[in-house]
Amino acid sequence: DAKTTQPNSMESNEEEPVHLPCNHSTISGTDYIHWYRQLPSQGPEYVIHGLTSNVNNRMASLAIAEDRKSSTLILHRATLRDAAVYYCSFMDSNYQLIWGAGTKLIIKP
Amino acid sequence: DVKVTQSSRYLVKRTGEKVFLECVQDMDHENMFWYRQDPGLGLRLIYFSYDVKMKEKGDIPEGYSVSREKKERFSLILESASTNQTSMYLCASSFPRRDDQPQHFGDGTRLSIL
Repeated sequence: DAKTTQPNSMESNEEEPVHLPCNHSTISGTDYIHWYRQLPSQGPEYVIHGLTSNVNNRMASLAIAEDRKSSTLILHRATLRDAAVYYCSFMDSNYQLIWGAGTKLIIKP
Repeated sequence: DVKVTQSSRYLVKRTGEKVFLECVQDMDHENMFWYRQDPGLGLRLIYFSYDVKMKEKGDIPEGYSVSREKKERFSLILESASTNQTSMYLCASSFPRRDDQPQHFGDGTRLSIL
């Protein structure tokens, strides 16, 4: 079965970088990797996506392994507002997102 | 900004009732999706639609149906609600058949079936 695997939870100190890992060993060569986050009492929010190259946007950076079987979401300087559940996903050949169970990120002041 | 609006944030219904969950998006997206979210299980796709009057089953369609009469509106229907359908329901929309396009989500409807 196609799937992604992520750690259940991670902790980080405020204003430090955070690296959130994801394994997606069943991904095919043309599937985009997507990351979303979900704040309490809200729906998931798009963070970033990529195919092969590392990607940067105003929210985060995405580092994709050369074999594409794993990726890492990087928050360069975490704030308390970044505390959320982060989901790694990829879009399969039917344009459906395959979701992981998510990583709960805890930010310590 | 894309806006996906779900009609209710919280809903309480009784076993056996017919339940309608409504979702409206304002970005002219062709694709619309219904997910349910349960602790420890992540998001699971119930149904999706690529166009008006078109629907496709997702991973867990049993006990649900959908309706897409207009492009901006996608309804999820619980024909005869049961307690195991108590969950958070999330609607999403996106541009068509492009895997580099993100899905945009509503804030969810927390449904309790008593």
